[in-house]
Amino acid sequence: ETGVTQSPTHLIKTRGQQVTLRCSSQSGHNTVSWYQQALGQGPQFIFQYYREEENGRGNFPPRFSGLQFPNYSSELNVNALELDDSALYLCASSLTSGGPTDTQYFGPGTRLTVL
Amino acid sequence: AQSVAQPEDQVNVAEGNPLTVKCTYSVSGNPYLFWYVQYPNRGLQFLLKYITGDNLVKGSYGFEAEFNKSQTSFHLKKPSALVSDSALYFCAVRLTGFQKLVFGTGTRLLVSP
Repeated sequence: ETGVTQSPTHLIKTRGQQVTLRCSSQSGHNTVSWYQQALGQGPQFIFQYYREEENGRGNFPPRFSGLQFPNYSSELNVNALELDDSALYLCASSLTSGGPTDTQYFGPGTRLTVL
Repeated sequence: AQSVAQPEDQVNVAEGNPLTVKCTYSVSGNPYLFWYVQYPNRGLQFLLKYITGDNLVKGSYGFEAEFNKSQTSFHLKKPSALVSDSALYFCAVRLTGFQKLVFGTGTRLLVSP
C-alpha cells in the first residue's frame, strides 16, 4: 500500500505566475484535503475534494483552485502568485469525508518559494 | 469557531524522562482530536486520535494522550523520551461531520542525550 505522494518537492516561481501542485492519494482513499503551512505556523485548511467535488473551503481567495480526478488524485492551482504564497503545501488523503473514523494522512509536501 | 492552543513553543526534556506536550481546544460541539508529528522538511505523520470512549488514547511509538473534557485539554505524553522523538508536534481538532482540521501553532520537542 503506497502512501500519499506529492510533486514536485520544491518549486520556485516569480510574483504573478501560476503554479500547479499534484497529489496522489493513498490507496483506497476517495477524499483529498489541501493545507498551506507558512514558516513557523500550523497548517491552514485550503479546501477538500470528495469524489471529484469541492467539499469545503477555508479562508483562501478564489485564485486558489483545485481538481480531483476519477482516480482520486488531485491538483492545487494558484494563480497570480504573491510573495505571501511562499509556504509548504500539504496534501492529505482520507477514506471518507468527515466521518468519525476519518483520519487524514499527509504527504511530504511541496515547498513553494515565490520571488 | 474552533481553535487549538499549544501554550509552549518548545519543550526540553532529557532522554529517559517522561514528556508532556500540552494542548487545549475550543469548540462548540463534540470534537475529534488529533496529534501529528513533523520532522524537518517532511510532511505530518499521524500519531493518535480521540474520537469517543476511553479518555486515554494510545498511539504510535509509545505516545499516548489524555482527553479531559472539563479542562478542554488533550495533552500528549510519553513515559520515557528518546532523542529521536525530537521534532515539531501539532495538535488538531475537527468537528463531527466537518472536513477541516484546525491546527495549533506547534510545539518543538527537544530531547537531550
